Formats: sequence, C-alpha cells, structure tokens
Amino acid sequence: AAGVIQSPRHLIKEKRETATLKCYPIPRHDTVYWYQQGPGQDPQFLISFYEKMQSDKGSIPDRFSAQQFSDYHSELNMSSLELGDSALYFCASTVKFSGNTIYFGEGSWLTVV
Amino acid sequence: AQKITQTQPGMFVQEKEAVTLDCTYDTSDQSYGLFWYKQPSSGEMIFLIYQGSYDEQNATEGRYSLNFQKARKSANLVISASQLGDSAMYFCAMRGSNSGYALNFGKGTSLLVTP
Repeated sequence: AAGVIQSPRHLIKEKRETATLKCYPIPRHDTVYWYQQGPGQDPQFLISFYEKMQSDKGSIPDRFSAQQFSDYHSELNMSSLELGDSALYFCASTVKFSGNTIYFGEGSWLTVV
Repeated sequence: AQKITQTQPGMFVQEKEAVTLDCTYDTSDQSYGLFWYKQPSSGEMIFLIYQGSYDEQNATEGRYSLNFQKARKSANLVISASQLGDSAMYFCAMRGSNSGYALNFGKGTSLLVTP
C-alpha cells in the first residue's frame, strides 16, 4: 500500500539559508500534518492542512511557512535557518474526521551548520 | 487543552516476556482518539494501535493491545512476547477536536528488550 512520501530524507544547510521539504500524503487522505522532532524530544505539531486549506497552527516559527497544492502534496518552507532548527521533520496524513490511523512519512533529517 | 503523560522514561524487558507501557491523558473533549507509535533508532514513526474514546472493547493488533480505562484516563500499551526488534522509543498520543485533530504526544518511553 502507498505510504506517506517525504523528500529529501537528509539535508544539510548553513545558518541563514533556506530549506524546502516536500510531502506526498496517502491517496484520498484529506489532511496533512507537519511535525518537528528535536533530538531526544517528542514530536511537536507545526501546522496542518485540510482539503488544501490551512487548518491549524501549532508551534511553527514565523520563519517557516507551508502550503498544500492542488495535487494534495505539501511543502514546508524554512527560511533564515538557525542551529536550533536541526531536527527530524515529519509529515503525516489521515482522513480528518473518520481516520483512526494517522500515518507518518519516514521523516526528513535537517542539519543546520 | 490536552495532556499526555508517560511516566516511564525507560523500561527493560526480557525477550519473550510481556511488558506494559503506561500512558495517562487529560482532555476536555468528549470524543477523542488515543494512539501508540513506535520509533526505532532509524527515526521513522510507526503506527501501532488506535483506541477511540467510545470504543467499548480494548483494541488489539497482533502482539499489541491497549488497556483502555476511561474512568482512570489511562491507555496503557501491552506488548506480549517481546522480541529484540521491539527495542525502540514508544510514544502515546491523542487527538480530539480541541487540538484541531492534530496529535499531541507524550514524552515517550524507551524500551530495551534483552536476550
């Protein structure tokens, strides 16, 4: 079965650079979530989209933005990167109101140097 | 607001034994879902099991079962017949309308299965 696809799996950026992460949700899932997991921490909710519209915002920095496109894929854009942005970034998808499973992608490891 | 509490930072279990990972929660939602995820050292977040707040039966998925005690607000994960490959971090999480249906995670429990 198709899973949530994230790219790139790993990326290294320098401080103040920009990074873009991509997410392709499971087909027919109407909701996408983005999470950030710092080293040794639990995942923190950043932002979600429902039917291509921004749904909820969590602890997403103003330097970050995200959008969902007509084909349902989503992108997380991170600018003015800081050392503290180094983390594992997850995308997850589900059917919002009836989904009893929320599937995560394998994550994108971002290292800021 | 929702809160998930996992009080066991680390647990040891011997291979083939059963182990219970604790999770308590707090929410004002009437309808909510409880999830358990496994995160091995490679980093991926693997869905294990789900329990809806109105489900009367405890959820089971293979060697995983969820001991749901609604009055106590607990949703403990039971892993039977532990295997070496079960060594990982385990996260309890919850979603409900108050969180916009996003998952809120506990701090996790690191499980080590020994031979």
